[in-house]
Amino acid sequence: AQSVTQLDSHVSVSEGTPVLLRCNYSSSYSPSLFWYVQHPNKGLQLLLKYTSAATLVKGINGFEAEFKKSETSFHLTKPSAHMSDAAEYFCVVSRMDSSYKLIFGSGTRLLVRP
Amino acid sequence: KAGVTQTPRYLIKTRGQQVTLSCSPISGHRSVSWYQQTPGQGLQFLFEYFSETQRNKGNFPGRFSGRQFSNSRSEMNVSTLELGDSALYLCASSLEGGVQPQHFGDGTRLSIL
Repeated sequence: AQSVTQLDSHVSVSEGTPVLLRCNYSSSYSPSLFWYVQHPNKGLQLLLKYTSAATLVKGINGFEAEFKKSETSFHLTKPSAHMSDAAEYFCVVSRMDSSYKLIFGSGTRLLVRP
Repeated sequence: KAGVTQTPRYLIKTRGQQVTLSCSPISGHRSVSWYQQTPGQGLQFLFEYFSETQRNKGNFPGRFSGRQFSNSRSEMNVSTLELGDSALYLCASSLEGGVQPQHFGDGTRLSIL
C-alpha cells in the first residue's frame, strides 16, 4: 500500500533563507510523486512531479525536489524564500498502474517571516 | 484556456438536506476526481470519473455519489447531510487520469448547520 508522511506540520523561515519541506513515502510499486501548493481559499496547484525520469526535479517558482529511493524521501527545497511562498504544501504519491488514486500527505504550512 | 470551475463557491445547508456540487473540467480533460478536505482528516479521495464511468472510489459512505456527463462536466451529490460533511470539496481534472498531474478548482465550501 502507498502512504506518504510529511515530517513537519509547520515550518517557519525568514524571507531570503532556504526552504526545506520534508516528505517520506512508502510504496510497493514504483511511485509517481508530486508536490502541490495551496494558498488560502484556493485549490491546489502543481509545483512539480517525479515519474521515474531524473531524480532531481525542477518545478515552478524556483522549487525543486530530489527523489532518493534509498531513503524513500522526496524533500522539497527552494534556495531563497519569498513572502508569496507562504502557503500549505502537500506531498502526494500515486501508483503507477491502472488503479488510480492520489494519496495526500497531511500538509506542511510554510510561514515566511519578513 | 479556462481552468477548472466549481460552483457554487459557498453553500450553507442543514442536517438531513441534500446538496449537489458542480465541476467543469479544463476543456479536453476526460478525468474528473473529487476530494474532501477537512482540518481533521486532511485531503481524502472521494471518486474519479472517466468517460462517464466511475473508475475509482474512496472510502466514503453511499450518501456520497457522483456522475459525469458526456461533456466531461461532473456533479457530486451528498444526501442526508451530517455535521461532519462540512468541508471544502475540491474537484480536479486531467487528460486521462492515472499518473498525470491534476488541475484543481478552487473548491466549494460546504457548511452544515
